[in-house]
Amino acid sequence: LAKTTQPISMDSYEGQEVNITCSHNNIATNDYITWYQQFPSQGPRFIIQGYKTKVTNEVASLFIPADRKSSTLSLPRVSLSDTAVYYCLVGALNYGGSQGNLIFGKGTKLSVKP
Amino acid sequence: GAVVSQHPSRVICKSGTSVKIECRSLDFQATTMFWYRQFPKKSLMLMATSNEGSKATYEQGVEKDKFLINHASLTLSTLTVTSAHPEDSSFYICSAPVPGQNGGGYTFGSGTRLTVV
Repeated sequence: LAKTTQPISMDSYEGQEVNITCSHNNIATNDYITWYQQFPSQGPRFIIQGYKTKVTNEVASLFIPADRKSSTLSLPRVSLSDTAVYYCLVGALNYGGSQGNLIFGKGTKLSVKP
Repeated sequence: GAVVSQHPSRVICKSGTSVKIECRSLDFQATTMFWYRQFPKKSLMLMATSNEGSKATYEQGVEKDKFLINHASLTLSTLTVTSAHPEDSSFYICSAPVPGQNGGGYTFGSGTRLTVV
């Protein structure tokens, strides 16, 4: 499984755009990139997933360069409620065959200030 | 969306007793579920992979006789912490792959806070 590296922490202010970059130099061809958000004493929550280029949903965007050795989670106009730990994971899952385990790195603790 | 229900949300038990944590997939079938533990201010650590109808696969360093996993149906996996000790106090979380999503679309339970006194 590809190992990921993220900044330990980031600070931001309400209304700003926050970009969290994750390095995954050893990503495999069939690996996807997924970001999760976790609040204290809760299970992680899926944010966004991608394989290459750019993916956007209602809460975030995910930018993946051509070499796929890194990815950037972009949170537009953060609010206080976005204060959480964000995890970047890479892994492959062939649903019809072998199952991939998800290994969590240390994550990035985002603190949003008023 | 795919939901995993985990119970109880918190439990306090005495040293030496056993505690069972349940993880149910509510609107989908899960042939595989994963169990994690998380210490305060730390990341999630994968403990074991629960496989429906067969033995669980444990990560290195996790005692299989202490953390009993049963996956008797396609919608239920249980983790039993046997002969609990204070050092087993932790936050336990289960997860399952979301049908139709590739490479990491997993849904997680809300977690169980175990305190052993």
